Amino acid sequence: QVQLQQWGAGLLKPSETLSLTCAVYGGSFSGYYWSWIRQPPGKGLEWIGEINHSGSTNYNPSLKSRVTISVDTSKNQFSLKLNSVTAADTAVYYCARGNRTAMVRVFIITGYDYYMDVWGKGTTVTVSS
Amino acid sequence: QSVLTQPPSVSAAPGQKVTISCSGSSSNIGNNYVSWYQQLPGTAPKLVINANNKRPSGIPDRFSGSKSGTSATLGITGLQTGDEADYYCGTWDSSLSAGVFGGGTKLTVL
Repeated sequence: QVQLQQWGAGLLKPSETLSLTCAVYGGSFSGYYWSWIRQPPGKGLEWIGEINHSGSTNYNPSLKSRVTISVDTSKNQFSLKLNSVTAADTAVYYCARGNRTAMVRVFIITGYDYYMDVWGKGTTVTVSS
Repeated sequence: QSVLTQPPSVSAAPGQKVTISCSGSSSNIGNNYVSWYQQLPGTAPKLVINANNKRPSGIPDRFSGSKSGTSATLGITGLQTGDEADYYCGTWDSSLSAGVFGGGTKLTVL
């Protein structure tokens, strides 16, 4: 049974750097896309980005300039850093295990089956002066 | 503004059926599989459908999914009060090279 345990600072001042870490227990670390998703109060889910065990990343274009996701395979952990935070970054931040399988037709990738099947419990991050 | 479009709310009586729509474009739903997530109040989202219509282990067959063109639909039959939650659709966007979600739909079981 795979479990994700996440932690990090819950209260930040504007312009500081948000830093969260997620540890993976009970399953393989390779073959998945380790993801961060956030949810502002009363609003919907926003995908932040992902990393695989090799360190390859993808980021939400709207956050890309401020986001860094890194991985430590020796500890089965991955981390999120978001710099220059503002009140708009106040949210519950979730880590999750992403699965992305390519659909191939005649040697060409035609699309992906993409979903997140294991989620952390979430960390509330508040940005306030 | 979310990349995928969902109705803000739907409602139905216990025992009835409800459907939740999710609309996108050729770069996301049109060429990728759709997943659906249930978020009960105060909890993390939970996967209920992946690959358009596949139920993960433990998800009852009251939950179903379908896709046509650039739209997808989640169906729930035999509604129970425990199904009251926010539901989100999600997929990969090949143009953005990013995951995308709908804005969420609040299901009320009257």
